Amino acid sequence: DAGVIQSPRHEVTEMGQEVTLRCKPISGHNSLFWYRQTMMRGLELLIYFNNNVPIDDSGMPEDRFSAKMPNASFSTLKIQPSEPRDSAVYFCASSLGQGTWYEQYFGPGTRLTVT
Amino acid sequence: SQQGEEDPQALSIQEGENATMNCSYKTSINNLQWYRQNSGRGLVHLILIRSNEREKHSGRLRVTLDTSKKSSSLLITASRAADTASYFCATDAGNSGGSNYKLTFGKGTLLTVNP
Repeated sequence: DAGVIQSPRHEVTEMGQEVTLRCKPISGHNSLFWYRQTMMRGLELLIYFNNNVPIDDSGMPEDRFSAKMPNASFSTLKIQPSEPRDSAVYFCASSLGQGTWYEQYFGPGTRLTVT
Repeated sequence: SQQGEEDPQALSIQEGENATMNCSYKTSINNLQWYRQNSGRGLVHLILIRSNEREKHSGRLRVTLDTSKKSSSLLITASRAADTASYFCATDAGNSGGSNYKLTFGKGTLLTVNP
């Protein structure tokens, strides 16, 4: 299996631009997580999907952030408009089931820089 | 506040030595997990220990859990340069019954193993 796939790996954009991050989870996994990692705040859960349905979006920082999962093999995280404080590494992770006893498999991340 | 907090923040040792990292948390847990993150990569699951377990082994890794002290330790024996990475503990501490999917990560211990 190729593991969790994320694109792009790096994104540099100007403030005010729209940014779309993409994720392909591992086939057969029904849980998908979007995280943001910064030096200051560490790894934060942004949103959690189960069976393509958003279950918990309480970590989404503002209305500028939105996420979709149109099918079991694809999810997007969109920031519109982007701001410099959104600069971070964004990870997508998937797991076989719901429950913290399931191992989470992380993608390589997207390093976002907003200037 | 962070549920899982690692200690020390950074650790530098020589190849062949043992490395011990600690994790403390604040509320009761069902399980605790350790993850590794190599520079520029996603997190990789290492080991999960359940609240009713006291010790678990996986290769050169040994994890202990003391629920009375709300702490865990990760021991890497006979370290190698390839073990250089950040190590994170993750807990489901503080999850209410409906949010049994959520892991809270600490900020990690940066381990450097010098050849």
